[in-house]
Amino acid sequence: AQSVTQLGSHVSVSEGALVLLRCNYSSSVPPYLFWYVQYPNQGLQLLLKYTSAATLVKGINGFEAEFKKSETSFHLTKPSAHMSDAAEYFCAVSAPYGGSQGNLIFGKGTKLSVKP
Amino acid sequence: DVKVTQSSRYLVKRTGEKVFLECVQDMDHENMFWYRQDPGLGLRLIYFSYDVKMKEKGDIPEGYSVSREKKERFSLILESASTNQTSMYLCASSWESRRETQYFGPGTRLLVL
Repeated sequence: AQSVTQLGSHVSVSEGALVLLRCNYSSSVPPYLFWYVQYPNQGLQLLLKYTSAATLVKGINGFEAEFKKSETSFHLTKPSAHMSDAAEYFCAVSAPYGGSQGNLIFGKGTKLSVKP
Repeated sequence: DVKVTQSSRYLVKRTGEKVFLECVQDMDHENMFWYRQDPGLGLRLIYFSYDVKMKEKGDIPEGYSVSREKKERFSLILESASTNQTSMYLCASSWESRRETQYFGPGTRLLVL
């Protein structure tokens, strides 16, 4: 079975500081992993995804994530936080379910605050 | 650009009313999904569909039903709305593959009084 754990429901950083959002997964099949971002009162938008090519994945807005099989982790990082990065971030793992191959299991989310 | 639209951004209904939430995607995606999002609980899958007229229950289907008569449209129905169905409802669509991105609509914030 597949599952996702995001450590820390709230993370606060100063503008210009490193952003690190943690995600650990469990998967009974080779995992495909995703990070989504949700700005206030909006739907989710894909930041980046790992689909078994390069283990270091670059996404939009300067974010990147590294797939580490030995640690079952897919942590999201950004070297320098910007005020516009304040949002909620969701990690997800692909989860074949019933008749569909395209389902995702989401973590509970991490709300990122950026202080001036 | 993929576009997923939802019929309403905000909706206020009374307990016992029948509520329809509509979702339309313009990318010919096979898969469509309905989630509800509540603070601290993340996204929970209500129903999904991987083909026209096909539907499967997700993790929390009780109190909901769905309809997919055309490939681009997936409707969520609350047969008799209750206050515990007050939530944000998100629709998504994707191609049928484990590696494919799900594309989300803007969400409908439903308040049941």
